[in-house]
Amino acid sequence: GQNIDQPTEMTATEGAIVQINCTYQTSGFNGLFWYQQHAGEAPTFLSYNVLDGLEEKGRFSSFLSRSKGYSYLLLKELQMKDSASYLCAVRGRTDSWGKLQFGAGTQVVVTP
Amino acid sequence: DTGVSQDPRHKITKRGQNVTFRCDPISEHNRLYWYRQTLGQGPEFLTYFQNEAQLEKSRLLSDRFSAERPKGSFSTLEIQRTEQGDSAMYLCASSFESGNEKLFFGSGTQLSVL
Repeated sequence: GQNIDQPTEMTATEGAIVQINCTYQTSGFNGLFWYQQHAGEAPTFLSYNVLDGLEEKGRFSSFLSRSKGYSYLLLKELQMKDSASYLCAVRGRTDSWGKLQFGAGTQVVVTP
Repeated sequence: DTGVSQDPRHKITKRGQNVTFRCDPISEHNRLYWYRQTLGQGPEFLTYFQNEAQLEKSRLLSDRFSAERPKGSFSTLEIQRTEQGDSAMYLCASSFESGNEKLFFGSGTQLSVL
């Protein structure tokens, strides 16, 4: 089986930085995704990591360490619109290409 | 490109009734997925199609659930004899077969079984 853990909620002020951690235990590994989901809306793709290291995309960066089963999503220069749930998802075995295992999500609350 | 669309957005039904949801993926995407999400949880994989072939089905999907993608374009998910435990958001996603295979999700169908 697979287990994806991330904190339930984080609060930060506008303009600050927040780091959302995700740890995973999977049978095989073939990529880690971060999605953003506003209440009542579709999850939207933020980032994808399959090799160790940092991927930077504007205000958002994602890091992966496969040996530690660990990833984080870094949100810089927080804006009010960043208040949302952030979902960590792992693709396990390569014969389940369409199947992602999602964590429960981290609700980020941005305060003025 | 209008994105992934799902219909209806909301469905309220009585226990024991059958319901059917429709998903129209992004037109050039050959893979289509169904996920289910309950409040405070991440999406759970239900099933996926490559073109018209259903390649994997989760053990979460009981015999009351059936999904089809007859012409490799839109898909339907039917739940027969609904139960209160079926109440959830049903999300459809699509992708184009590629290296990172990122999924594009629809806004979902919120099902409430009374």
